[in-house]
Amino acid sequence: SQQGEEDPQALSIQEGENATMNCSYKTSINNLQWYRQNSGRGLVHLILIRSNEREKHSGRLRVTLDTSKKSSSLLITASRAADTASYFCATDAIQGAQKLVFGQGTRLTINP
Amino acid sequence: NAGVTQTPKFRVLKTGQSMTLLCAQDMNHEYMYWYRQDPGMGLRLIHYSVGEGTTAKGEVPDGYNVSRLKKQNFLLGLESAAPSQTSVYFCASSLWTSVQETQYFGPGTRLLVL
Repeated sequence: SQQGEEDPQALSIQEGENATMNCSYKTSINNLQWYRQNSGRGLVHLILIRSNEREKHSGRLRVTLDTSKKSSSLLITASRAADTASYFCATDAIQGAQKLVFGQGTRLTINP
Repeated sequence: NAGVTQTPKFRVLKTGQSMTLLCAQDMNHEYMYWYRQDPGMGLRLIHYSVGEGTTAKGEVPDGYNVSRLKKQNFLLGLESAAPSQTSVYFCASSLWTSVQETQYFGPGTRLLVL
């Protein structure tokens, strides 16, 4: 079964607005990662947040992690058309940390 | 650095045929992975390797075999292809510290089994 579950499954917003995606997971983790996938392409790593971190920033990206709720959020500020993609969270469970388990993703569409 | 490369990019097979997908990385990563992605879905792990000469099963290993004879290469084999194996296959590699680090992905192989 999937460790990470993203919400919403699809999101459509206007260019310039902020986009927020959420991820929930089931077991204790070492870290949580977010990846982007443009249509027909491989996944690209965006950001990694460790279990002892609560918030992390990278450019227009802000990731939060709440280990008590087993959830994370990815905020993209001032969205651009080029942000249109699918976004996946991935976790490595403490038991079985040699691999990542991916959620089903959020499909983000930025309308010009 | 080419990163992670995959060959072929696209392949059509008939049911029962066999093929091998090749993944190569030039980052000296210890860990390598094979995933499949079906429409509208996330990635599911098929097999992975934690070093040269080692392999392990992932979430959906049935119908696939793998080999890691050289550190930089990870091969995925389909012995007798079935329509259910129609998918996009991604290879990835990563460093290993004491936890999972960033995975670097190849561009994918689209496989159609008729």
